[in-house]
Amino acid sequence: AQRVTQPEKLLSVFKGAPVELKCNYSYSGSPELFWYVQYSRQRLQLLLRHISRESIKGFTADLNKGETSFHLKKPFAQEEDSAMYYCALRGSGNTGKLIFGQGTTLQVKP
Amino acid sequence: DGGITQSPKYLFRKEGQNVTLSCEQNLNHDAMYWYRQDPGQGLRLIYYSQIVNDFQKGDIAEGYSVSREKKESFPLTVTSAQKNPTAFYLCASTGAGGGSYNEQFFGPGTRLTVL
Repeated sequence: AQRVTQPEKLLSVFKGAPVELKCNYSYSGSPELFWYVQYSRQRLQLLLRHISRESIKGFTADLNKGETSFHLKKPFAQEEDSAMYYCALRGSGNTGKLIFGQGTTLQVKP
Repeated sequence: DGGITQSPKYLFRKEGQNVTLSCEQNLNHDAMYWYRQDPGQGLRLIYYSQIVNDFQKGDIAEGYSVSREKKESFPLTVTSAQKNPTAFYLCASTGAGGGSYNEQFFGPGTRLTVL
């Protein structure tokens, strides 16, 4: 079965602390993984995708096929990082469907 | 603010009524999707369409219906058969039929409340 799991509903850190939002997936084949972010009163938007191996707003995520994980990391959290974060897996077939995790709310305290 | 628009922003429905949520996009995207967002459950796919006049059920299609008569529009009807319709509904679209590497763009959402 294709599944995405984000074990933490809420992650609360202080400004300047490192952040790691966990994401594990279940998928047979080569996965295509994404992190989406939803800031307060804004629409859901793509943060980064594993295929690009990019760093966006200081965030990075590495695909670990052995551990079936795609954790999102940032070395120094900022208050403006506070948002809801969703890990997503593109399903099999050429449909573009995304399978989302349950989401993690990141709260960065001053 | 073009891209994908959804209306209305808030919708109230009495039990037993059908309601239709609008989703329009001016991105010339082929594929469109409807998700339902509930706290603690993430986003779940209701229906999707890769091309005009064709659509498929997602994971939670029961109690919902869609149409895709125009490329730009993908309305969602929440019928009285949907047992728990109160939720936040998100529409999304992507280019090239949803193929690999295409980003999904999301609308601002409609919050439906059943009274």
